[in-house]
Amino acid sequence: DAGVIQSPRHEVTEMGQEVTLRCKPISGHNSLFWYRQTMMRGLELLIYFNNNVPIDDSGMPEDRFSAKMPNASFSTLKIQPSEPRDSAVYFCASSRTESFNEKLFFGSGTQLSVL
Amino acid sequence: GENVEQHPSTLSVQEGDSAVIKCTYSDSASNYFPWYKQELGKGPQLIIDIRSNVGEKKDQRIAVTLNKTAKHFSLHITETQPEDSAVYFCAAIGGTASKLTFGTGTRLQVTL
Repeated sequence: DAGVIQSPRHEVTEMGQEVTLRCKPISGHNSLFWYRQTMMRGLELLIYFNNNVPIDDSGMPEDRFSAKMPNASFSTLKIQPSEPRDSAVYFCASSRTESFNEKLFFGSGTQLSVL
Repeated sequence: GENVEQHPSTLSVQEGDSAVIKCTYSDSASNYFPWYKQELGKGPQLIIDIRSNVGEKKDQRIAVTLNKTAKHFSLHITETQPEDSAVYFCAAIGGTASKLTFGTGTRLQVTL
């Protein structure tokens, strides 16, 4: 298996623009997670899905952030409008079951820079 | 919710020496403690985990110990090699939180 695939690897955009990050989880995994990593706050869970259904989005910082999972093999994280403070590395991860007591497989991340 | 503290934030050891990274957690109901290794430009990867029903687990040069009474757990790397250089994260989950909470990370540098 190719693992969790994220695109793009790097995104540079201007403040106010819409940004869409994409993720393809490992086939057969039932849960998908979006994390954000910054020096100040470390790894933060933004939202997670079980069987394509959003379970907890309490980590999403503001209404500017939204995430969807239209099917078992694809998810997007959208920021509209983007702001400089959104600059971070965004990781997608998947796991086999709904439980957090399970190995998470992370993608290589998207480095987002908002100018 | 769960609070996980990790120390030290940076650690430099000579090749062949041992490295120890320590974490404490706040929720006494926590029952799963994974460790992730993050190499430059990559996502974190699970290297070892321990559940609350055991006190120690080993996998070749890596071991993790858990002290439930004191609510702390540690990662031990023996015979360190340059490829062990990375950022290591501890994490904990359990109780009512049911979400994985990560520590702040330890940057390990193994020098020749």
